[in-house]
Amino acid sequence: AQKVTQAQTEISVVEKEDVTLDCVYETRDTTYYLFWYKQPPSGELVFLIRRNSFDEQNEISGRYSWNFQKSTSSFNFTITASQVVDSAVYFCALSEETGANNLFFGTGTRLTVIP
Amino acid sequence: EPEVTQTPSHQVTQMGQEVILRCVPISNHLYFYWYRQILGQKVEFLVSFYNNEISEKSEIFDDQFSVERPDGSNFTLKIRSTKLEDSAMYFCASSVNAGILYGYTFGSGTRLTVV
Repeated sequence: AQKVTQAQTEISVVEKEDVTLDCVYETRDTTYYLFWYKQPPSGELVFLIRRNSFDEQNEISGRYSWNFQKSTSSFNFTITASQVVDSAVYFCALSEETGANNLFFGTGTRLTVIP
Repeated sequence: EPEVTQTPSHQVTQMGQEVILRCVPISNHLYFYWYRQILGQKVEFLVSFYNNEISEKSEIFDDQFSVERPDGSNFTLKIRSTKLEDSAMYFCASSVNAGILYGYTFGSGTRLTVV
């Protein structure tokens, strides 16, 4: 079963629009961590945020914000006033307390920001 | 900022050949990981390594794969007899402690092309 689902395969927005990337996860652990990574065209994985299961406070970092809702098992990512440099594939990932703490990645959402 | 370094950035090898992918984790990190991303697909966990032994491995990590920390600084992934389907981006990652607690730092990846 998929532990992390990113239903949006591709999204295109016009520059300066806001965009929300959805992430739904599945776990039986009570302690877990959720991550977002950005993969630009150059291919590297850029860490964006890590959030533990006990902290449901939303977080804002500049134009980025994250909405964590345990009731719906979602950890959505919003970019406000999108820019062309935001064009990338964005991965949501889950790490569970049990096991060796490896990351389970979603299939990613390809975001294209059109100038 | 400390980095995880991977070499080479791109390697082309003939089917059936052995290949070794190299990684230099961050010096005070204790946990090491290899992940794989087939072109256009999600990032998949291969193996985690701690205290000089494998702590967990996925179904992908079969007998053709091995990992080693030969000299206290390098962390290598060996594929004994490459197949066409091994063509992928391979990411090394490290964490100071259990990644779930402290997050993971990824290298820039090695793109392996098997011809």
